[in-house]
Amino acid sequence: DAKTTQPPSMDCAEGRAANLPCNHSTISGNEYVYWYRQIHSQGPQYIIHGLKNNETNEMASLIITEDRKSSTLILPHATLRDTAVYYCIVWDYKLSFGAGTTVTVRA
Amino acid sequence: NAGVTQTPKFQVLKTGQSMTLQCAQDMNHEYMSWYRQDPGMGLRLIHYSVGAGITDQGEVPNGYNVSRSTTEDFPLRLLSAAPSQTSVYFCASSWAGGDGYTFGSGTRLTVV
Repeated sequence: DAKTTQPPSMDCAEGRAANLPCNHSTISGNEYVYWYRQIHSQGPQYIIHGLKNNETNEMASLIITEDRKSSTLILPHATLRDTAVYYCIVWDYKLSFGAGTTVTVRA
Repeated sequence: NAGVTQTPKFQVLKTGQSMTLQCAQDMNHEYMSWYRQDPGMGLRLIHYSVGAGITDQGEVPNGYNVSRSTTEDFPLRLLSAAPSQTSVYFCASSWAGGDGYTFGSGTRLTVV
C-alpha cells in the first residue's frame, strides 16, 4: 500500500484559504488520492478524490503535482465548522487511514 | 436512501460475551468495510469485502469474524469480547469505482 505523510496539525484563520499538504511518493500509476475528514467523533466524511488532474467540487479543490508524489487539499474559505481531522489516503480498493492532520480554524 | 445503517449505537458487553454488530446499506455498493477507532487514535481497518461472498482481513482482524452473504449486509462478529475491544466501530460502503466511501454513524462498544 502506498503510504502518505501529512503534518500532524495546522491552524487556519476563519475566512482564509486552508492548504493541506500530503506526500505520497510511492503512489502507483493507477492509484487515486482521496481526502476525508472526521469532525469530532462522527463517521469520516468524503471530501474529494483525483488521479492526475486537479479536481474541484463544492467543498474543496485538490491539486496533484505532475509527478503525483504529492497533493494539496484547498479549503477556499475556511469556517469554524471545518475544524476536523483531515486524512489523505491512497486508495487501492481498501481504505487505510493514517494519523491525518488536525486542522483548527480560529475566529 | 438511508445510507449506511449501524446497529446498535451503544453496547456494553461483559468479557467473554459474543455479539454481532450490524451494518446495512441500501445503495447497492459493492465494497464494504469495518473500522475501529480507539480514543484519540485514527481508524484501523478490521475486515473488508469487495462483493457478496468475498471478504478479506485488514490491519487488525484478530478477534473478529465477518461474512457477506448479501450485497446489503456486512455483519461484524465479536467471538469472545475483551476489554481491548472497547472502541467505536464504523462501517462504510462504496461503489467499486471508488466515488468515496459512505460511513455509518458508528457503534460505541464498551467491554467490561
